[in-house]
Amino acid sequence: AQKITQTQPGMFVQEKEAVTLDCTYDTSDPSYGLFWYKQPSSGEMIFLIYQGSYDQQNATEGRYSLNFQKARKSANLVISASQLGDSAMYFCAMREGGGSARQLTFGSGTQLTVLP
Amino acid sequence: GAVVSQHPSRVICKSGTSVKIECRSLDFQATTMFWYRQFPKQSLMLMATSNEGSKATYEQGVEKDKFLINHASLTLSTLTVTSAHPEDSSFYICSARGLAGVYNEQFFGPGTRLTVL
Repeated sequence: AQKITQTQPGMFVQEKEAVTLDCTYDTSDPSYGLFWYKQPSSGEMIFLIYQGSYDQQNATEGRYSLNFQKARKSANLVISASQLGDSAMYFCAMREGGGSARQLTFGSGTQLTVLP
Repeated sequence: GAVVSQHPSRVICKSGTSVKIECRSLDFQATTMFWYRQFPKQSLMLMATSNEGSKATYEQGVEKDKFLINHASLTLSTLTVTSAHPEDSSFYICSARGLAGVYNEQFFGPGTRLTVL
């Protein structure tokens, strides 16, 4: 089974509007972390936001917020006031358990296009 | 955030040659480094995980004799693609993780685009 599922291969949003990128995950480990990364066409992976499984509040970083619904195992990314520069590939990722050697598992990504 | 560099950013080589890609953590000590490959329009697939001074742990299906990984210091890891073939053409991304940061997050390099002719 897929550990990270992103069901939206492509999304369009009008500039200045908000957009939600979906992510669901599957784990039996009670301790895990959820990450969102942005990958523009240049290829670099840009860290956006993190949510720990024990965090009581949804994470927020500027225009990015994470809608964490633990019971549904979803961790959707909300981008408010979209900008043209937000056009990129967005990946949801999970790291299970503790330990510094645990790797990230990535979803298939969502290509976001912001329209002027 | 912490900075990870990769060199070269782009390489074109002939089939049968070997290519070495360097990954450096510039301002922190990377106890663990990860190597990913990414085909166009696809996700990042983990190839191997390496801890400084230890042999790399390869993911299932990744040939360790073809993709040689060395993590000789806390700031440098190298990936050598031996006897490269056109099917090895891909985007290779390294990631470094130390004890820095609130989340022990992984910091990614800018990637290396390999084209094998």
